[in-house]
Amino acid sequence: SQTIHQWPATLVQPVGSPLSLECTVEGTSNPNLYWYRQAAGRGLQLLFYSVGIGQISSEVPQNLSASRPQDRQFILSSKKLLLSDSGFYLCAWSTPAGLGNDQLFGPGTRLTVL
Amino acid sequence: GESVGLHLPTLSVQEGDNSIINCAYSNSASDYFIWYKQESGKGPQFIIDIRSNMDKRQGQRVTVLLNKTVKHLSLQIAATQPGDSAVYFCAENSNTGKLIFGQGTTLQVKP
Repeated sequence: SQTIHQWPATLVQPVGSPLSLECTVEGTSNPNLYWYRQAAGRGLQLLFYSVGIGQISSEVPQNLSASRPQDRQFILSSKKLLLSDSGFYLCAWSTPAGLGNDQLFGPGTRLTVL
Repeated sequence: GESVGLHLPTLSVQEGDNSIINCAYSNSASDYFIWYKQESGKGPQFIIDIRSNMDKRQGQRVTVLLNKTVKHLSLQIAATQPGDSAVYFCAENSNTGKLIFGQGTTLQVKP
């Protein structure tokens, strides 16, 4: 069966510090991968998606970047965190059949920037 | 532009009653819709989906209705239980091929 992992579960970082969040998927090959951010009490904002190794599409201009060094690994990074980067970060995957198919989400990372 | 929204931010129901959560979408070209359930501090979980060639689809205690004429989607939960308390999101397969999520409806189940 397929599983998706995210770590860390929670993170508290000072403003200006770097960030690295990791997401890995097991039990599938060549998945589409997604990073979302969710502000408190709000919906999901798509940040990045990837259809293959090294292929990253950015949805919104921001202080963050994403990379996909391996087929089932998706990393969200920042060189210098801002207060506005605080939020709940969710990784998701879908089958390679299409970007609009149902997505399965990881447990999320709660990031607090102080 | 494209948008997927919900009519009510919070829905409060009595345990045992039926719940109906509504969603409006704006892209008439969307052909696939999903409902997700998100419990506090967790990632969204897939509940049920429906394609545009269907008007209704049933799962275990849940039913999704699609009205393409008025671009309206609803999730019905039968015999609502305390464990159903969560935020519910609808999602739309836009013509860009990506999912667009609504803002969510919080379902509160009163014992």
